[in-house]
Amino acid sequence: DGGITQSPKYLFRKEGQNVTLSCEQNLNHDAMYWYRQDPGQGLRLIYYSQIVNDFQKGDIAEGYSVSREKKESFPLTVTSAQKNPTAFYLCASSNPQRGAFFGQGTRLTVV
Amino acid sequence: GQNIDQPTEMTATEGAIVQINCTYQTSGFNGLFWYQQHAGEAPTFLSYNVLDGLEEKGRFSSFLSRSKGYSYLLLKELQMKDSASYLCAVRAVTGGGNKLTFGTGTQLKVEL
Repeated sequence: DGGITQSPKYLFRKEGQNVTLSCEQNLNHDAMYWYRQDPGQGLRLIYYSQIVNDFQKGDIAEGYSVSREKKESFPLTVTSAQKNPTAFYLCASSNPQRGAFFGQGTRLTVV
Repeated sequence: GQNIDQPTEMTATEGAIVQINCTYQTSGFNGLFWYQQHAGEAPTFLSYNVLDGLEEKGRFSSFLSRSKGYSYLLLKELQMKDSASYLCAVRAVTGGGNKLTFGTGTQLKVEL
């Protein structure tokens, strides 16, 4: 079955540590996105990528980094520079007529 | 940049009809999407509009007016399971590709 997979589902990080969230898709979509969602809030765009080896900052890119070395993969690194990293992180890939297909999300908690 | 506005909360009665509005301002408009999100889950796709007019899909319909920067999602014959957050998202063409930006969502509560 085609889909988009995020791992892990739950992640705990100590303050000051970098952590990388995985996102893989086998839908052959060109565009991929990372969003952050805080409790009771909407989705805020962190980074997006239209093609391999190219990506763009979204609205809240500070403290995050991404790479797009393969079409299928778009990992997100939450760096120690991100002041408030505890959130629900959603990765998506895009179909022209359906917009975003989402992974199950990763819930990151800083301890 | 993009600006997307939706009401924060709405309440409706089971079996009734509810309309959730979304207004937006953007350049390079390339489509508007509606998603449903239940608590703790990822959003799921409901509808897509890129041309003006009404798109109907079962109990859900979505309308777009590009000149007014306005869309609405219409839910008919409301069921308790429709209680969820409804997200409006706008896609815009940028120098780096298609940017997909979400509104803050409308929390719909369906009551008996």
